[in-house]
Amino acid sequence: QQQVKQSPQSLIVQKGGISIINCAYENTAFDYFPWYQQFPGKGPALLIAIRPDVSEKKEGRFTISFNKSAKQFSLHIMDSQPGDSATYFCAASMSSFNKFYFGSGTKLNVKP
Amino acid sequence: GAVVSQHPSRVICKSGTSVKIECRSLDFQATTMFWYRQFPKKSLMLMATSNEGSKATYEQGVEKDKFLINHASLTLSTLTVTSAHPEDSSFYICSASAGSGRGGEQYFGPGTRLTVT
Repeated sequence: QQQVKQSPQSLIVQKGGISIINCAYENTAFDYFPWYQQFPGKGPALLIAIRPDVSEKKEGRFTISFNKSAKQFSLHIMDSQPGDSATYFCAASMSSFNKFYFGSGTKLNVKP
Repeated sequence: GAVVSQHPSRVICKSGTSVKIECRSLDFQATTMFWYRQFPKKSLMLMATSNEGSKATYEQGVEKDKFLINHASLTLSTLTVTSAHPEDSSFYICSASAGSGRGGEQYFGPGTRLTVT
C-alpha cells in the first residue's frame, strides 16, 4: 500500500513559469513532510520541509502549501529555471529522523 | 546542510562475490542511518534502518542475510551485498540523522552505483 501518492509523474514548464507538484498521504500520524530534489546519478538533496502546524512555508523560489484536513501538500517552484530540471520527491514521516515514505517522483523539465 | 559521504561511488563486481558500501557522516554524529535502493526512474525503496550499536531493522521483503548492515560507530554504517547477482545491480543510497539534534533532519549520501556482471 502506497503511503504517499505523488502527481504528476512528469511535468514540462516554460522558463519563468510556476511548477506545481502534488502529494497526498493517508496516515494522520505523519508530522514531517520534506521535498527532495535529485539529479541523475546523485543522491536526493533536501529542498524544503514543513510540519503540520503551519499551512505554508516559503524559502526563496520554493513554497510548500499544506492542507491538513485534505491530507495533501504541494511544492510550488516560482520563476522556474532550466537548472531546476530534476526529479522531485515528496516524503512523509512520523518525525524528521524516522523512516521516510517517499512519493513516486516527478520528473520536471523546464524549457528555456 | 550536513555532509554524508558514500564509498565507493561506483563498483562493478562479478556474480557470486560480496561488495561492501560505506556510508559516513562527516560533520555530525548519526544516531540513525537508513539504506535505500533505487531502480532507474523509480522512487527510493527503504531497505533497512540501523541505530548505532544495535541490529538493523529490515523492511519486509529485504533479505537480512543477503544485505548485511553494520552501524559500528556514530559516523559509519556499512552495507554488504553478499553473493551478489545481476538482479542486485542498483543505485544504493544511505541517509543519516542525528536524531533530535541538528533539527533532526535526514541527510542523504551521493549514492553508490552497483553493477553485478
